[in-house]
Amino acid sequence: AQSVTQPDIHITVSEGASLELRCNYSYGATPYLFWYVQSPGQGLQLLLKYFSGDTLVQGIKGFEAEFKRSQSSFNLRKPSVHWSDAAEYFCAVGARVSTLTFGKGTMLLVSP
Amino acid sequence: KAGVTQTPRYLIKTRGQQVTLSCSPISGHRSVSWYQQTPGQGLQFLFEYFSETQRNKGNFPGRFSGRQFSNSRSEMNVSTLELGDSALYLCASSLRAGQTDTQYFGPGTRLTVL
Repeated sequence: AQSVTQPDIHITVSEGASLELRCNYSYGATPYLFWYVQSPGQGLQLLLKYFSGDTLVQGIKGFEAEFKRSQSSFNLRKPSVHWSDAAEYFCAVGARVSTLTFGKGTMLLVSP
Repeated sequence: KAGVTQTPRYLIKTRGQQVTLSCSPISGHRSVSWYQQTPGQGLQFLFEYFSETQRNKGNFPGRFSGRQFSNSRSEMNVSTLELGDSALYLCASSLRAGQTDTQYFGPGTRLTVL
């Protein structure tokens, strides 16, 4: 069975500092991996996705993620966090975009 | 282009009742998926419809059902509501759920069961 672990429930980062959100997955085949962001009262917005090819994936809003097969990880990074990045971030894995298994999420707090 | 719309946005029901939630996908999208989001269990896949056929189903009891119409609009139904069904129900659509597709989520329907 596939699963996703996001070890950090909450993370606080100072504005302007770098960010890394961790994601580990368990999946039997080559995974399709995603990062979504959810702001309060909103649905989920896709930040980036990985299907194959280059293991460093660029997304929207300055985010990137790196797929590391040997570590079963797909960590999300951003070099400089803005206050507007405060939200909940979800990592997901699936055989197709429409049947995803999500992690429990990491709440990002940005301090001034 | 309009996004995924869900109606109603908020709903309050009592135990034992049944409820129907509606989702209108982005125009041209034929795949619609439903997810349940709760604080305890997080986001869980309910089912996926494509061209009026249920293509995949998550691990939920038979009280949860859905359907898709010829215009790709979808409804999900929960019968005999339980307190634990209180959740945010998210609908998402994509063109064909193919490899290069992007899944777009609606704002959700917040269901409260009293």
